[in-house]
Amino acid sequence: NAGVTQTPKFRVLKTGQSMTLLCAQDMNHEYMYWYRQDPGMGLRLIHYSVGEGTTAKGEVPDGYNVSRLKKQNFLLGLESAAPSQTSVYFCASNDDTGLNEQFFGPGTRLTVL
Amino acid sequence: AQRVTQPEKLLSVFKGAPVELKCNYSYSGSPELFWYVQYSRQRLQLLLRHISRESIKGFTADLNKGETSFHLKKPFAQEEDSAMYYCALSEGADGLTFGKGTHLIIQP
Repeated sequence: NAGVTQTPKFRVLKTGQSMTLLCAQDMNHEYMYWYRQDPGMGLRLIHYSVGEGTTAKGEVPDGYNVSRLKKQNFLLGLESAAPSQTSVYFCASNDDTGLNEQFFGPGTRLTVL
Repeated sequence: AQRVTQPEKLLSVFKGAPVELKCNYSYSGSPELFWYVQYSRQRLQLLLRHISRESIKGFTADLNKGETSFHLKKPFAQEEDSAMYYCALSEGADGLTFGKGTHLIIQP
């Protein structure tokens, strides 16, 4: 059981470039989330999904898009990266049993120059 | 709107001393609160949830609805407790609202 995995672990982009971060979970969880972690800001929710084919905006969605074509995968896209998107990105998932415990991936460290 | 406040960015205590990490929340409904811990360069992991009323690694946290607080406590700090601690409030399927975190340093 790998839990929640994220690809890639690190990435450096130039301003204006695009990229996709992949999150995968093998726990058959319905709910998946993308957060960004910035020093002094804690974690903030970007987008989330409550099931295959559904997505919703979180607290800081601007500049990001997401897709949930398969239940086990949740993709986060940056169409035109900006230096303000330099951050550590965490994916998380939880089931719908009502316990609301989230399981986190190892994170992706993204730098936009 | 829901809000989670952790007033201390940094807390430094000596090994063996008591530890209290503060967390206050603002929420109109019945809150569901958690403490997550992140050790250096690792992923976040759940430490405690208030509905379980459990003690993990010697830590406890009690929900005080009157004071809207969920402080994390440990009577005797250990060096391996050094980490970032995040208090979080659940909105069900809509995700977690996190505090800004407290960096706990345990000095030998």
